[in-house]
Amino acid sequence: DIVMTQSPDSLAVSLGARATINCKSSQSVLYSSNNKNYLAWYQQKPGQPPKLLIYWASTRESGVPDRFSGSGSGTDFTLTISSLRAEDVAVYYCQQYYSGLTFGGGTKVEIK
Amino acid sequence: QVQLVQSGAEVKKPGASVKVSCKASGYTFANYHINWVRQATGQGPEWMGWMNPNSDNIGYAQKFQGRVTMTRNTSITTAYMELSSLRSEDTAVYYCATGNLWFDSWGQGTLVTVSS
Repeated sequence: DIVMTQSPDSLAVSLGARATINCKSSQSVLYSSNNKNYLAWYQQKPGQPPKLLIYWASTRESGVPDRFSGSGSGTDFTLTISSLRAEDVAVYYCQQYYSGLTFGGGTKVEIK
Repeated sequence: QVQLVQSGAEVKKPGASVKVSCKASGYTFANYHINWVRQATGQGPEWMGWMNPNSDNIGYAQKFQGRVTMTRNTSITTAYMELSSLRSEDTAVYYCATGNLWFDSWGQGTLVTVSS
């Protein structure tokens, strides 16, 4: 199985500041035949199921604010919240779908 | 809009089985795979397997092979996940979710508690 490792485990960011979450896969999730990275990002608030934010590493799901962006390729990926709002407090997960389906352990984002 | 409504919380003894249902509405049931994902408290989600409602194609994560069974009743657009030989480590919230690669719609979750 591909292991997904997120860092940091948690971070506290001031309102309006940038939040950066990292995700590393144990092997590349870049499929060479189509040059796509098989990686998604989710947001989960307490008591709710995860919500899809991004797929193909950088494509925002419909309705997701543009302050959320995804980047990276191969084994190293980043989710960036450009200007943190109070409603962004949540746990964020990455997920690979290159081989099987596995999630990272999550990064908790809080307000400083 | 897509809606997935799951059955209620369950408490089971070790060694028992549990069957969770997922009623789909708002879309053509046959068009999207149904996945089952579980999440223990404080942990990341864990994918259990997928099912194509339009065929007999089913795939289970290796960890759950032999213990999980996914079925569906297309006439009532409902998917089911049955997990057998329950142990305490199976205590988690179980979700159904649509999607072939990523998961774009989720049920509300069903808490399954395994305790003697």
